[in-house]
Amino acid sequence: DIQMTQSPSALSASVRDRVTFTCQASHDISNYLNWYQQKPGKAPKLLIYDASNLETGVPSRFSGSGSGTDFTFTISSLQPEDVATYYCQQYDNPPYTFGQGTKLEI
Amino acid sequence: QVQLVESGGGLVKPGGSLRLSCAVSGFTFSDHYMAWIRQAPGKGLEFLSYIDKSGSTIYYADSVKGRFTMSRDNAKNSLFLQMTSLRAEDTALYYCARESVMLVGALDSWGQGALVTVSS
Repeated sequence: DIQMTQSPSALSASVRDRVTFTCQASHDISNYLNWYQQKPGKAPKLLIYDASNLETGVPSRFSGSGSGTDFTFTISSLQPEDVATYYCQQYDNPPYTFGQGTKLEI
Repeated sequence: QVQLVESGGGLVKPGGSLRLSCAVSGFTFSDHYMAWIRQAPGKGLEFLSYIDKSGSTIYYADSVKGRFTMSRDNAKNSLFLQMTSLRAEDTALYYCARESVMLVGALDSWGQGALVTVSS
């Protein structure tokens, strides 16, 4: 299975900060990467698909980039409601695997 | 609206079995690939299994291969996960999720989860 490694595992930032974290795949996965947001006590929510495309209804402060093995997720101006854990997920080869998550706090 | 509702969770002894169900509504179930994902307490997401639209092709994570069996009944709009030889490390919240018709690999709808506790 393809291994996904996220860093950092936790991050603390302030409102209106620009926040960036990364996801690395153990093999080249082209752009076959999604990002999910999971708030405490809730199911995950799809934010970004195909590494850089925003899911419908997701605020434009969220963005993603990268291809191959290295990917980046950015929040341009952090809001209080963005407190959550963020997961990357590869879909190059099933069973699709998740990174271990980055927990974002304010 | 789109709904996925898991059921069948509970407390089971090590070595025991349990069958989870996921009842869906609000969309054409047979148009979608489906998945099971779990989350151990305080831990991250683990992708367990993935089934095609007809139920003929299924993939499993190594951690559950040979112990868990995923299936679906398109006539009953239901997804299943038969779990056997359960271990303490299988204790988790189990989610069923729908793959987008338009976006391969994108899980665009999730249930709220069924809690499975494996303990003597």
